[in-house]
Amino acid sequence: DTAVSQTPKYLVTQMGNDKSIKCEQNLGHDTMYWYKQDSKKFLKIMFSYNNKELIINETVPNRFSPKSPDKAHLNLHINSLELGDSAVYFCASSPKVAANTGELFFGEGSRLTVL
Amino acid sequence: RKEVEQDPGPFNVPEGATVAFNCTYSNSASQSFFWYRQDCRKEPKLLMSVYSSGNEDGRFTAQLNRASQYISLLIRDSKLSDSATYLCVVKGGYNKLIFGAGTRLAVHP
Repeated sequence: DTAVSQTPKYLVTQMGNDKSIKCEQNLGHDTMYWYKQDSKKFLKIMFSYNNKELIINETVPNRFSPKSPDKAHLNLHINSLELGDSAVYFCASSPKVAANTGELFFGEGSRLTVL
Repeated sequence: RKEVEQDPGPFNVPEGATVAFNCTYSNSASQSFFWYRQDCRKEPKLLMSVYSSGNEDGRFTAQLNRASQYISLLIRDSKLSDSATYLCVVKGGYNKLIFGAGTRLAVHP
């Protein structure tokens, strides 16, 4: 009964390809996020959606496009993959916009390797 | 200057030791602070919030110094299972959580 699940867990692909990572949460939360953790272990927010509406869009190349079909799902599509996109991508959710508890519930991460 | 800075470590300590991590943040208007724990190749999980007056949760004590803009985490009586990376987190604008790069702790027998 995984609360926040993301697929695939591992993704190895060639430069220039397009790939998607899917995320689903069964916690009934309103807000979902995508974070990127690079090789230096910095966890940086990319996007945040609240009830399917985009509320945070950090300085991310427009090759990255999030899509939230409903509040339980937030997918990430990446076009024209580059070597620098190699990282672990974490999906997360919270009851409201990073509610006062500061608790985000993270998925297990999707490790993307671009060759 | 990074928004949240931490000493990356690693801190190598024997079981039973007391260890402390510090973290500094750049935005003096920040209001909320947290410590997360991340095990190797796993997702981060909330360890504890940091309150202005300081707070304790078992062997863990968190403190906030607003004047100097730093947060600390003290772990007493370290266990092998405490080995992990500890992430300092500050709530920024639009309620987004800003993570430090983490401090790695290795507890050995």
